[in-house]
Formats: sequence, structure tokens, C-alpha cells
Amino acid sequence: GAGVSQSPRYKVAKRGQDVALRCDPISGHVSLFWYQQALGQGPEFLTYFQNEAQLDKSGLPSDRFFAERPEGSVSTLKIQRTQQEDSAVYLCASSASGDTGELFFGEGSRLTVL
Amino acid sequence: EDKVVQSPLSLVVHEGDTVTLNCSYEVTNFRSLLWYKQEKKAPTFLFMLTSSGIEKKSGRLSSILDKKELFSILNITATQTGDSAIYLCAVNSNYQLIWGAGTKLIIKP
Repeated sequence: GAGVSQSPRYKVAKRGQDVALRCDPISGHVSLFWYQQALGQGPEFLTYFQNEAQLDKSGLPSDRFFAERPEGSVSTLKIQRTQQEDSAVYLCASSASGDTGELFFGEGSRLTVL
Repeated sequence: EDKVVQSPLSLVVHEGDTVTLNCSYEVTNFRSLLWYKQEKKAPTFLFMLTSSGIEKKSGRLSSILDKKELFSILNITATQTGDSAIYLCAVNSNYQLIWGAGTKLIIKP
């Protein structure tokens, strides 16, 4: 596609529900990043893929968070047993190189946990 | 600990004014510094800076990096209401981006 596509754009979940957020990066982009952005703050790194390999997951806040990119293109961020503190915008970004040169961001998935 | 600090946190000016946004950093392995503009949606890329002293320009926006003093500035001249946004600075340290908290810029007509 022309840009990074994320879905759903908005998700409301009851506390304890599982959610899955999808990212479709720009075709051919090697690197894929997930960020969590709270209101009024800069994006916080969650995890990084180079092709299908998850090279860094140090930013995932707990073992309830899981990300995958099995074929090196589309990625899914899964949050199990959601908590209110998980409410945020989840941004996906991709880069053509194996480095964070110019990142292209999706429009984000806004998660609200009630 | 790697960190990126932006100042001011917020700024209100009138249309036509010139603004300078600041970004200072301390990181272990500097590769590049990036500026993004974020309105209601996702951040959009403005500049990537890797070398000191070389100004990057795009229309009314320009940016420069000082790798000795560890900072960058983003200038916007002849501001317009459409420039109102949060401006984010990020430093590429290895493959991670370390983000500042952003400067919220409001341009009054």
C-alpha cells in the first residue's frame, strides 16, 4: 500500500479482554516498530522487527503484551487481559532499511480499556 | 540512561512570528536525529540530521545539528496557523529511537 495501515483505528475493550492490533507496513519495508503513546507524551518504544525476526522486545511493559510478524510483512500486537493502564495510542512504523532512518508511521490504534 | 529533552514544552505565538524549538540529547551511540510533526494523527517526518553544521531546509522550516554540544534546533519562519502541532525530536541510538516529550506549538491568527 501507499502508507502504513493500522487497524482498528479505535478499540474499546472491557478490562480483562484480549485485543489484537494489526499493522500493515509499506510493502518491502524491512524494519517494523511498535510504539505506545500516552496523551501528551512522545512515543514509547515497545518492540522492533527486522523482517520476521523480533530483534528487541525490551519495551513491552509486561508478559501480557505479545507481538509477531510471521512472514516479515504484517504484524500483530496482542494484549491479553487488558488493564486500564493499557489505554493509549499504539503506533506502528516501518522503515525501508534495517535501521531507523526515516520512519513512516501509521495513524495508530487508539485503545480505551474501561 | 539515554535521554532526549525538548524545550519549551509549549509555545504560543502569533501568525507571522518566527519560532525556534530546541532538542538536547544524551545517548550512548548516536546515529542520527530526527524531527517529526504530529497533529491529531501519526507523526510525519520532517528532517533527519547526521552531521554537525549542515542546515536542512524545507520551505519555512529548517534544522541544524550540533554534535559537539549535543543539541538540535528546528526553526519555523513566518508561522501559519497550520503549523500548530506537536513537534517531536527523536535520536537514533543503534536501532532504537529515543523520543523527546515534544513541544506543543500553537499559532494564533
